[in-house]
Amino acid sequence: EIVLTQSPGTLSLSPGETATFSCRASQSVSNNFLAWYQQTPGKAPRLLMYAASTRATGIPDRFSGSGSGTDFTLTITRLEPEDFAVYFCQQYGGSPFTFGQGTKLEIK
Amino acid sequence: QVQLQESGPGLVKPSGTLSLTCAVSGASISSSHWWSWVRQTPGKGLEWLAEIYHSGSTNYNTPLRSRITISVDKSKNQFSLNLSSVTAADTAVYYCVSRLAGPNYYYPLDVWGEGTTVTVSS
Repeated sequence: EIVLTQSPGTLSLSPGETATFSCRASQSVSNNFLAWYQQTPGKAPRLLMYAASTRATGIPDRFSGSGSGTDFTLTITRLEPEDFAVYFCQQYGGSPFTFGQGTKLEIK
Repeated sequence: QVQLQESGPGLVKPSGTLSLTCAVSGASISSSHWWSWVRQTPGKGLEWLAEIYHSGSTNYNTPLRSRITISVDKSKNQFSLNLSSVTAADTAVYYCVSRLAGPNYYYPLDVWGEGTTVTVSS
């Protein structure tokens, strides 16, 4: 199975700043089928990005994704209070689908 | 718009079977979707368990394959998860999730239920 490693574990930033999340795969993700999710406490994950760089429906353009193969990045510009949450990457190019361990974005 | 709602016991005894159902609304269970179960624990994080298509095709997380039964009930527009021989390690929030099915393309897990907490304890 593909192991996804996210870094950093925690990101401390202020509203208005830019957040950058990294996701590294143990082997190449097929067709760059890599998704990013946001999760707030007590809620289910919400799909943000898929196919590495395509925004899901309703996701503002402050969110962007990039990368290919084994290295992927999620960037959030102009952080807003509601962006402070946990972010997960997930590969769905092959079974079993696997998730990264998450990066917590906290208010500095 | 697909909506999913999990239901089932919140407490299961060790060595017993965890049984959950996911009610699907906004779409037919026989539409072009894969229907999945994902669980989340503080220790292991998010873990995809299995998925099923209305035709009966399935995919599993291999280490759990021998303990998982996933099924579709077309008459009730729902799908289910049975996880046998449970231990405390199976204590988690369980989500039912859907993704579109398409030819020659993999879609992400885009619709999630709100999740249900299952505790394994005597």
